[in-house]
Amino acid sequence: DGGITQSPKYLFRKEGQNVTLSCEQNLNHDAMYWYRQDPGQGLRLIYYSQIVNDFQKGDIAEGYSVSREKKESFPLTVTSAQKNPTAFYLCASSVIGGRTEAFFGQGTRLTVV
Amino acid sequence: AQSVTQLGSHVSVSEGALVLLRCNYSSSVPPYLFWYVQYPNQGLQLLLKYTSAATLVKGINGFEAEFKKSETSFHLTKPSAHMSDAAEYFCAVSGVEYGNKLVFGAGTILRVKS
Repeated sequence: DGGITQSPKYLFRKEGQNVTLSCEQNLNHDAMYWYRQDPGQGLRLIYYSQIVNDFQKGDIAEGYSVSREKKESFPLTVTSAQKNPTAFYLCASSVIGGRTEAFFGQGTRLTVV
Repeated sequence: AQSVTQLGSHVSVSEGALVLLRCNYSSSVPPYLFWYVQYPNQGLQLLLKYTSAATLVKGINGFEAEFKKSETSFHLTKPSAHMSDAAEYFCAVSGVEYGNKLVFGAGTILRVKS
């Protein structure tokens, strides 16, 4: 089945640690996105990529980093510089252009302990 | 910056009643418009989309939405609510004025009372 796979589903981070969230898609989409979801704030864009080896900052990129070495993969690293990382993180992919919908993974819930 | 507004962070309806969730956008050029649904601790699932064809769009699970350019709106409706409709609903827009990226509203949590 085609789709987007995020892992892990739950992740716990200690203060000062970097953690990496995985996102893989087999939909042959060029564009991939990372969103952060907090209660009552909708989805806020962290980073997006429209081609391999290229990516752009979204609205809340500070404290996060990404890579796009393969078309299928777009991992997100939450660095120690992100002071409030506890949130639900969603990865999505789409055809480029904005006309078509994005397809979402099942999300990763990150908690700082 | 262009934005999308969902009126009402929480909406409560009785089972069998009409569901109306409101969405307004701010761009001068009609964007592409989407409604997504999210169940707890899950990703988003597309309900329906408007991409400049028919202004009344039918989606899954009996939902539909009407694009009204004069009102810059894309409200989501369902004639008769089911308990299984309880979830959070997001309106999203994309297009040139949004940098061809999806921009989301803050979401509306729908509660269905028995």
